[in-house]
Amino acid sequence: DAGITQSPRHKVTETGTPVTLRCHQTENHRYMYWYRQDPGHGLRLIHYSYGVKDTDKGEVSDGYSVSRSKTEDFLLTLESATSSQTSVYFCAISSEGQGVADTQYFGPGTRLTVL
Amino acid sequence: GEDVEQSLFLSVREGDSSVINCTYTDSSSTYLYWYKQEPGAGLQLLTYIFSNMDMKQDQRLTVLLNKKDKHLSLRIADTQTGDSAIYFCAESIRAGNMLTFGGGTRLMVKP
Repeated sequence: DAGITQSPRHKVTETGTPVTLRCHQTENHRYMYWYRQDPGHGLRLIHYSYGVKDTDKGEVSDGYSVSRSKTEDFLLTLESATSSQTSVYFCAISSEGQGVADTQYFGPGTRLTVL
Repeated sequence: GEDVEQSLFLSVREGDSSVINCTYTDSSSTYLYWYKQEPGAGLQLLTYIFSNMDMKQDQRLTVLLNKKDKHLSLRIADTQTGDSAIYFCAESIRAGNMLTFGGGTRLMVKP
């Protein structure tokens, strides 16, 4: 398994509170991604990073911000959580130039409930 | 825009073959992937195929790609109860980046 951990694995919070999810990798991969998974929607990309301090928006970035100050860590922040952000959040990593198909490898997920 | 579609549910008997289908709309898709998700777990890469291929076989898994119809399928031979999971297809125009996922197909294998 790729060395990806996510913390916390489960969190329950209240509407309006800030929440930060952490993704940590030990693979020294350049690319990191945050997805959310909701029934009927599969996985949708929130933000991604292509290097330290280099990030960009994905399909569903509204209400989320990210930071990457070190290669190994990619943080996802909900500044003011809303019930629509109740979801399962997955982090993924991929390398570049290390293979013909630089596939993404996924972390175990964080289940977030916003009451 | 990009769109990837899958049927929601498939039920098969143990020992039968399973075929999970996927259609996509982006003709510039270069890489197509199949991922498996077991309950409470993350996604596990099963296999992938490049757009310049039309078939790839890996043990019990066979991937077929029809570029003309933008149709991808995953065949699992001799399906086992341990194959019960949600299967996602995904496409990308560049390896590893900006994956677009289908909604997932839940495979149920009956003993």
